[in-house]
Amino acid sequence: DTGVSQDPRHKITKRGQNVTFRCDPISEHNRLYWYRQTLGQGPEFLTYFQNEAQLEKSRLLSDRFSAERPKGSFSTLEIQRTEQGDSAMYLCASRSLYASQETQYFGPGTRLLVL
Amino acid sequence: SQELEQSPQSLIVQEGKNLTINCTSSKTLYGLYWYKQKYGEGLIFLMMLQKGGEEKSHEKITAKLDEKKQQSSLHITASQPSHAGIYLCGADREGGSEKLVFGKGTKLTVNP
Repeated sequence: DTGVSQDPRHKITKRGQNVTFRCDPISEHNRLYWYRQTLGQGPEFLTYFQNEAQLEKSRLLSDRFSAERPKGSFSTLEIQRTEQGDSAMYLCASRSLYASQETQYFGPGTRLLVL
Repeated sequence: SQELEQSPQSLIVQEGKNLTINCTSSKTLYGLYWYKQKYGEGLIFLMMLQKGGEEKSHEKITAKLDEKKQQSSLHITASQPSHAGIYLCGADREGGSEKLVFGKGTKLTVNP
């Protein structure tokens, strides 16, 4: 039984560069979520997908951020023209629409450092 | 501003001691989740509570949700070094929302 996986686990980039993160949800989980967590804070919701449809986006998700889930399986989160304020842990979670308990299961996260 | 208040912010206990972490909201919670996070890692699901007055236990950890569904507590009995980490409460505050809001977390240190 594999959990949610994320790649890469760590990313260091220079300000202005683009970065892309990948999330592979638990098999057959049709809902997928992206959160951002900064040091000393709890995770903050960014966006979520049901299958390939992006159903909700937070105001935190500026125009520089884009998320996709083209085939309803894995998802990517891209940040364009990164800024130092984008430095954070980016967490992905998934859950089954049909589960009796509506639990979101989280991946290990991608830690981004923008220099 | 954080929508869920956790207390204490940090806690240092001696191995074997009991401890309680609290999570409070000014609004009704439609689903309350407890997660544990090791530094620099993802969140590990512990328990979920939905009904007022509900209580769940797993090994030495017990979580409760009050009758008004505005406060939850997480109690650890006979703490061990393996319990160390950051405990986060997350909740659905809108009823049927996919968006979880989280507290800032409680950092637990267990000294052997």
